[in-house]
Amino acid sequence: ETGITQTPRHLVMGMTNKKSLKCEQHLGHNAMYWYKQSAKKPLELMFVYNFKEQTENNSVPSRFSPECPNSSHLFLHLHTLQPEDSALYLCASSQDSRRRGGLAKNIQYFGAGTRLSVL
Amino acid sequence: AQKVTQAQTEISVVEKEDVTLDCVYETRDTTYYLFWYKQPPSGELVFLIRRNSFDEQNEISGRYSWNFQKSTSSFNFTITASQVVDSAVYFCALSESANTGNQFYFGTGTSLTVIP
Repeated sequence: ETGITQTPRHLVMGMTNKKSLKCEQHLGHNAMYWYKQSAKKPLELMFVYNFKEQTENNSVPSRFSPECPNSSHLFLHLHTLQPEDSALYLCASSQDSRRRGGLAKNIQYFGAGTRLSVL
Repeated sequence: AQKVTQAQTEISVVEKEDVTLDCVYETRDTTYYLFWYKQPPSGELVFLIRRNSFDEQNEISGRYSWNFQKSTSSFNFTITASQVVDSAVYFCALSESANTGNQFYFGTGTSLTVIP
């Protein structure tokens, strides 16, 4: 039990569907992240939220839309996906403190991921 | 250029053998952090260790040990007397002080199979 719950664990969707991935953390952290993990590639950071504000968007296509209603919940809304979007989507969280010169580099803890297949 | 390189894609060892997983990183920062994570078949990345760039002491935790060498930009991970439960994908990661978004740069991972 990592303290981070991702639902659903598996998702199969067509290219015209709209679905959402959910992440909930019970660790009291104030930063949350979405990563994409594809076979044979490094984990790709998609979005970062610090104190509920989006601080990073690493050139992610607009068919992925994040939402962070509070520091414990993070969503990834999906629409009009492509087959190449099939991957494991991992949520992570960390306790980051804002210090002069940037955020403290704290440990990121991960959920078990959602295995997404786009047909 | 990739910031973290894990040249070993797959490794197989027989139970009780020792195994070393290599990690080479690239950064211009003088302050940075290095991490190792384990990803078992269940999917979640499990945090193993974090080191900062000013602490080059090697660390041992049970059967796990880490060798940090700034001179060669390496942060290698050794499992002693491997067990079947060690079978997983292991990721090395780098976080730089200049990166205000706490972005981690991950390697491509090394898949370790321990054969009983």
